[in-house]
Amino acid sequence: GDQVEQSPSALSLHEGTDSALRCNFTTTMRSVQWFRQNSRGSLISLFYLASGTKENGRLKSAFDSKERRYSTLHIRDAQLEDSGTYFCAAEANAGAKLTFGGGTRLTVRP
Amino acid sequence: EAAVTQSPRNKVAVTGGKVTLSCNQTNNHNNMYWYRQDTGHGLRLIHYSYGAGSTEKGDIPDGYKASRPSQENFSLILELATPSQTSVYFCASGDALGGRETLYFGSGTRLTVL
Repeated sequence: GDQVEQSPSALSLHEGTDSALRCNFTTTMRSVQWFRQNSRGSLISLFYLASGTKENGRLKSAFDSKERRYSTLHIRDAQLEDSGTYFCAAEANAGAKLTFGGGTRLTVRP
Repeated sequence: EAAVTQSPRNKVAVTGGKVTLSCNQTNNHNNMYWYRQDTGHGLRLIHYSYGAGSTEKGDIPDGYKASRPSQENFSLILELATPSQTSVYFCASGDALGGRETLYFGSGTRLTVL
């Protein structure tokens, strides 16, 4: 079965608001990555985490270091250019290939 | 700048025909990947490679072959295309440094099999 489950599947925000995306794992994961796919289909890596939290501008990601069963991506002060589909991908163990979630389609409205 | 280039960008094929999707990377990365993206499934790994001459099966390899003739090039081959292979295909390269691998993706190839 699917090991990586993302929620929500779609989200609509007004500019300037905050929100969080979640990625749940059905098994313990070694690391997690977050990607954003823009309207042209390009996928850009946002974060790689093996534990703890990372922050980049208005984006912050956290990986549950204790149970290693979920990760979150927080978006602060959402802007129109944040619109896109966000994917998390997790690695179960060293050398394992990434398993992607189904994505969260984010729309930021004026 | 990291660059992964896929060709063609769009392809229409007939059932039973042969399709080859090409990927070129200038990152000098050892690892290359082919994924397909379908609504509700995210990206699913088809084949990957650790370097020239290497091909490995991913999670959904059936109906696909792969070829890695050089460090830079990785092809995905559909010998007998079927409508179920209609999808968007992404190539990526990565180089695991210190146990961490960041993937760089191409822009995707939209394949329609009629």
